[in-house]
Amino acid sequence: LAKTTQPISMDSYEGQEVNITCSHNNIATNDYITWYQQFPSQGPRFIIQGYKTKVTNEVASLFIPADRKSSTLSLPRVSLSDTAVYYCLVVNTDKLIFGTGTRLQVFP
Amino acid sequence: GAVVSQHPSWVICKSGTSVKIECRSLDFQATTMFWYRQFPKQSLMLMATSNEGSKATYEQGVEKDKFLINHASLTLSTLTVTSAHPEDSSFYICSANVRGNTGANVLTFGAGSRLTVL
Repeated sequence: LAKTTQPISMDSYEGQEVNITCSHNNIATNDYITWYQQFPSQGPRFIIQGYKTKVTNEVASLFIPADRKSSTLSLPRVSLSDTAVYYCLVVNTDKLIFGTGTRLQVFP
Repeated sequence: GAVVSQHPSWVICKSGTSVKIECRSLDFQATTMFWYRQFPKQSLMLMATSNEGSKATYEQGVEKDKFLINHASLTLSTLTVTSAHPEDSSFYICSANVRGNTGANVLTFGAGSRLTVL
Protein backbone atom coordinates (compact mmCIF):
# COMPACT_ATOMS: atom_id res chain seq x y z
CA LEU A 1 0.00 0.00 0.00
CA ALA A 2 1.35 3.39 -0.99
CA LYS A 3 2.28 5.59 1.94
CA THR A 4 1.19 9.21 1.91
CA THR A 5 2.79 12.26 3.47
CA GLN A 6 0.96 15.49 4.10
CA PRO A 7 1.49 18.55 6.30
CA ILE A 8 0.24 18.03 9.82
CA SER A 9 -1.60 21.33 9.94
CA MET A 10 -2.43 24.44 7.95
CA ASP A 11 -4.02 27.76 8.79
CA SER A 12 -6.07 29.97 6.50
CA TYR A 13 -8.55 32.81 6.54
CA GLU A 14 -12.05 32.89 5.23
CA GLY A 15 -12.31 33.56 1.51
CA GLN A 16 -8.83 32.32 0.71
CA GLU A 17 -7.94 29.42 -1.53
CA VAL A 18 -6.30 26.54 0.32
CA ASN A 19 -4.02 24.03 -1.35
CA ILE A 20 -3.05 20.88 0.52
CA THR A 21 -0.34 18.78 -1.09
CA CYS A 22 0.14 15.08 -0.51
CA SER A 23 3.19 13.05 -1.46
CA HIS A 24 2.82 9.44 -2.55
CA ASN A 25 6.14 8.51 -4.10
CA ASN A 26 5.47 4.78 -4.44
CA ILE A 27 2.02 5.02 -5.97
CA ALA A 28 1.20 2.03 -8.14
CA THR A 29 -0.10 2.08 -11.69
CA ASN A 30 -3.61 1.09 -10.68
CA ASP A 31 -3.86 3.35 -7.63
CA TYR A 32 -6.41 6.13 -7.47
CA ILE A 33 -5.96 9.19 -5.28
CA THR A 34 -8.81 9.96 -2.93
CA TRP A 35 -9.34 12.76 -0.45
CA TYR A 36 -11.59 12.70 2.59
CA GLN A 37 -12.75 15.35 5.04
CA GLN A 38 -13.44 14.63 8.69
CA PHE A 39 -15.11 16.79 11.29
CA PRO A 40 -14.74 16.00 15.01
CA SER A 41 -16.78 13.01 16.14
CA GLN A 42 -17.97 12.22 12.61
CA GLY A 43 -17.00 9.66 10.04
CA PRO A 44 -14.84 10.81 7.13
CA ARG A 45 -16.64 12.20 4.13
CA PHE A 46 -15.53 11.67 0.52
CA ILE A 47 -14.41 14.85 -1.21
CA ILE A 48 -12.84 13.95 -4.53
CA GLN A 49 -11.04 11.19 -6.37
CA GLY A 50 -8.76 11.19 -9.39
CA TYR A 51 -6.19 9.25 -11.36
CA LYS A 52 -4.30 11.90 -13.32
CA THR A 53 -4.35 15.54 -14.45
CA LYS A 54 -7.19 17.55 -12.96
CA VAL A 55 -10.52 16.67 -11.46
CA THR A 56 -13.07 19.22 -10.31
CA ASN A 57 -16.37 18.90 -8.54
CA GLU A 58 -18.68 21.25 -6.71
CA VAL A 59 -16.51 21.47 -3.60
CA ALA A 60 -12.88 21.03 -4.66
CA SER A 61 -10.32 20.46 -7.35
CA LEU A 62 -7.65 17.80 -7.44
CA PHE A 63 -4.43 18.37 -9.33
CA ILE A 64 -2.23 15.39 -10.17
CA PRO A 65 1.05 15.84 -12.05
CA ALA A 66 2.15 13.48 -14.79
CA ASP A 67 4.38 11.39 -12.52
CA ARG A 68 1.50 11.00 -10.03
CA LYS A 69 3.92 11.07 -7.11
CA SER A 70 1.99 13.87 -5.48
CA SER A 71 -1.42 15.47 -5.58
CA THR A 72 -2.89 18.77 -4.46
CA LEU A 73 -6.34 19.29 -3.08
CA SER A 74 -7.57 22.81 -3.77
CA LEU A 75 -10.40 24.31 -1.76
CA PRO A 76 -11.61 27.59 -3.26
CA ARG A 77 -12.69 30.40 -0.95
CA VAL A 78 -12.74 28.48 2.30
CA SER A 79 -15.18 29.29 5.06
CA LEU A 80 -15.14 28.59 8.78
CA SER A 81 -17.07 25.39 8.15
CA ASP A 82 -14.14 24.00 6.18
CA THR A 83 -12.17 23.66 9.40
CA ALA A 84 -11.55 19.92 9.52
CA VAL A 85 -8.96 17.21 9.00
CA TYR A 86 -8.25 16.29 5.39
CA TYR A 87 -6.89 12.88 4.49
CA CYS A 88 -5.17 11.85 1.28
CA LEU A 89 -5.20 8.16 0.38
CA VAL A 90 -4.03 6.11 -2.54
CA VAL A 91 -5.43 2.66 -3.10
CA ASN A 92 -6.25 0.11 -5.72
CA THR A 93 -7.50 -2.56 -3.40
CA ASP A 94 -10.40 -2.51 -1.02
CA LYS A 95 -8.47 -1.73 2.13
CA LEU A 96 -7.69 1.87 3.03
CA ILE A 97 -4.97 2.82 5.44
CA PHE A 98 -5.17 6.37 6.69
CA GLY A 99 -2.15 8.60 7.15
CA THR A 100 -1.89 11.43 9.62
CA GLY A 101 -4.08 13.85 7.68
CA THR A 102 -3.85 17.65 7.55
CA ARG A 103 -5.66 19.65 10.19
CA LEU A 104 -6.97 22.80 8.48
CA GLN A 105 -7.96 25.71 10.68
CA VAL A 106 -9.87 28.53 9.02
CA PHE A 107 -9.95 31.87 10.84
CA PRO A 108 -12.46 34.67 10.36
CA GLY B 1 -26.14 8.25 -2.79
CA ALA B 2 -24.95 5.27 -0.85
CA VAL B 3 -25.47 5.56 2.89
CA VAL B 4 -23.89 3.63 5.73
CA SER B 5 -25.86 3.80 8.95
CA GLN B 6 -24.12 3.16 12.25
CA HIS B 7 -25.79 2.64 15.62
CA PRO B 8 -25.54 3.63 18.41
CA SER B 9 -23.88 6.99 17.90
CA TRP B 10 -22.68 6.96 21.47
CA VAL B 11 -22.71 4.47 24.31
CA ILE B 12 -21.54 4.44 27.91
CA CYS B 13 -20.98 1.15 29.66
CA LYS B 14 -19.45 -0.25 32.80
CA SER B 15 -16.11 -1.99 32.75
CA GLY B 16 -16.48 -5.70 32.07
CA THR B 17 -19.65 -5.48 30.00
CA SER B 18 -19.97 -6.04 26.27
CA VAL B 19 -21.15 -3.53 23.73
CA LYS B 20 -22.46 -4.16 20.22
CA ILE B 21 -22.20 -1.62 17.40
CA GLU B 22 -24.18 -2.10 14.20
CA CYS B 23 -23.26 -0.98 10.73
CA ARG B 24 -25.80 -1.14 7.94
CA SER B 25 -25.59 -0.37 4.23
CA LEU B 26 -28.97 1.22 3.59
CA ASP B 27 -29.38 1.19 -0.17
CA PHE B 28 -26.70 -1.13 -1.41
CA GLN B 29 -25.18 -4.48 -0.61
CA ALA B 30 -21.79 -4.68 0.99
CA THR B 31 -19.96 -7.98 0.88
CA THR B 32 -17.09 -6.30 2.68
CA MET B 33 -17.14 -3.73 5.45
CA PHE B 34 -14.28 -2.19 7.37
CA TRP B 35 -14.02 -1.27 11.02
CA TYR B 36 -11.80 1.57 12.19
CA ARG B 37 -10.94 2.95 15.60
CA GLN B 38 -9.91 6.52 16.26
CA PHE B 39 -8.46 8.00 19.43
CA PRO B 40 -8.64 11.76 20.09
CA LYS B 41 -6.44 13.87 17.82
CA GLN B 42 -5.27 10.75 15.98
CA SER B 43 -5.91 9.26 12.58
CA LEU B 44 -8.18 6.33 11.84
CA MET B 45 -6.71 2.92 12.51
CA LEU B 46 -8.02 -0.03 10.56
CA MET B 47 -9.04 -2.80 12.95
CA ALA B 48 -10.52 -5.45 10.71
CA THR B 49 -12.15 -6.31 7.42
CA SER B 50 -15.58 -7.83 7.77
CA ASN B 51 -16.58 -10.36 5.09
CA GLU B 52 -20.15 -11.47 4.56
CA GLY B 53 -20.58 -15.12 5.39
CA SER B 54 -17.02 -15.70 6.51
CA LYS B 55 -14.60 -14.80 9.26
CA ALA B 56 -13.30 -11.30 9.60
CA THR B 57 -9.69 -10.47 8.84
CA TYR B 58 -8.01 -8.63 11.69
CA GLU B 59 -5.10 -6.25 11.44
CA GLN B 60 -1.95 -6.98 13.36
CA GLY B 61 -2.26 -6.16 17.04
CA VAL B 62 -6.06 -6.27 17.14
CA GLU B 63 -7.45 -8.94 19.46
CA LYS B 64 -10.05 -10.93 17.56
CA ASP B 65 -11.48 -12.42 20.75
CA LYS B 66 -12.04 -8.98 22.19
CA PHE B 67 -13.45 -7.33 19.09
CA LEU B 68 -15.95 -9.79 17.68
CA ILE B 69 -17.12 -9.07 14.16
CA ASN B 70 -20.13 -10.66 12.55
CA HIS B 71 -21.23 -10.04 8.96
CA ALA B 72 -24.30 -12.22 8.68
CA SER B 73 -25.96 -10.46 5.76
CA LEU B 74 -25.05 -8.26 2.81
CA THR B 75 -26.32 -5.18 4.62
CA LEU B 76 -25.26 -5.67 8.23
CA SER B 77 -21.99 -5.99 10.05
CA THR B 78 -21.66 -5.83 13.83
CA LEU B 79 -18.72 -5.15 16.10
CA THR B 80 -18.95 -6.40 19.67
CA VAL B 81 -16.46 -5.09 22.18
CA THR B 82 -16.33 -7.86 24.76
CA SER B 83 -15.45 -7.31 28.41
CA ALA B 84 -14.83 -3.66 27.73
CA HIS B 85 -12.27 -1.73 29.74
CA PRO B 86 -11.60 2.00 29.95
CA GLU B 87 -8.74 1.70 27.46
CA ASP B 88 -11.28 0.52 24.88
CA SER B 89 -12.96 3.91 25.05
CA SER B 90 -12.67 5.29 21.55
CA PHE B 91 -14.50 6.35 18.41
CA TYR B 92 -15.41 3.35 16.25
CA ILE B 93 -16.26 3.88 12.59
CA CYS B 94 -17.44 1.42 9.98
CA SER B 95 -17.30 1.77 6.23
CA ALA B 96 -18.12 0.02 3.00
CA ASN B 97 -16.91 0.34 -0.58
CA VAL B 98 -19.04 1.96 -3.21
CA ARG B 99 -18.09 2.23 -6.86
CA GLY B 100 -17.22 5.87 -7.55
CA ASN B 101 -17.59 7.95 -10.72
CA THR B 102 -14.05 7.12 -11.75
CA GLY B 103 -14.74 3.42 -11.56
CA ALA B 104 -12.55 3.03 -8.52
CA ASN B 105 -13.84 2.16 -5.10
CA VAL B 106 -14.78 4.92 -2.68
CA LEU B 107 -15.17 4.20 1.00
CA THR B 108 -18.45 5.41 2.47
CA PHE B 109 -18.32 5.83 6.23
CA GLY B 110 -20.85 5.60 8.98
CA ALA B 111 -21.22 8.48 11.40
CA GLY B 112 -19.22 6.66 14.05
CA SER B 113 -19.92 5.36 17.54
CA ARG B 114 -18.39 6.96 20.60
CA LEU B 115 -17.75 4.32 23.25
CA THR B 116 -17.00 5.37 26.82
CA VAL B 117 -16.17 2.64 29.31
CA LEU B 118 -16.40 3.65 32.94
